[in-house]
Amino acid sequence: GAGVSQSPSNKVTEKGKDVELRCDPISGHTALYWYRQSLGQGLEFLIYFQGNSAPDKSGLPSDRFSAERTGGSVSTLTIQRTQQEDSAVYLCASSLRASGLNEQFFGPGTRLTVL
Amino acid sequence: SQELEQSPQSLIVQEGKNLTINCTSSKTLYGLYWYKQKYGEGLIFLMMLQKGGEEKSHEKITAKLDEKKQQSSLHITASQPSHAGIYLCGADRAAGNKLTFGGGTRVLVKP
Repeated sequence: GAGVSQSPSNKVTEKGKDVELRCDPISGHTALYWYRQSLGQGLEFLIYFQGNSAPDKSGLPSDRFSAERTGGSVSTLTIQRTQQEDSAVYLCASSLRASGLNEQFFGPGTRLTVL
Repeated sequence: SQELEQSPQSLIVQEGKNLTINCTSSKTLYGLYWYKQKYGEGLIFLMMLQKGGEEKSHEKITAKLDEKKQQSSLHITASQPSHAGIYLCGADRAAGNKLTFGGGTRVLVKP
């Protein structure tokens, strides 16, 4: 597609359930980034991929959070046993590569609400 | 992030007036990005600055980077209602990896 796409756009879940968020980067972009935006914390980095490898997972808040990328394209962010504090907008971005200065193109985000 | 402070937090300007947003980093910058976000939408790239003293313009928006002060400013000339939104600065400290973002500046332009 022309831009970064994310699905679902909105997700409401019950506390304790697992959720999967999907990101389709721009074709040809080898780097993919996940961020989280919440009222209290602003926009925070979670993890990035170069190809299928994740050199930096330092932003993942707990071991309930995991992400994978397959085929150097689509990425899935999984949150297990969701908690109310996980409620936020999860943004995905992609760039040509994760070295040097490259514009990160952002998707529209997935708004997650944990009841 | 406290590593990147934006000021002001919010701004209301009359249409046609100029406005300036500042972004100050407490750590070394490799690159500085400016994005705009409208409510419920993703981030729209505005400009990227790397070298000290660099200045870039696009339409009525100009951004500058003062490398010594670790500071960047975003200036909008003759603001329009379409300039309303949240402006975010993002710091790249490791050449293309994660971005650390400021808290954002909410801009409202009154017609």
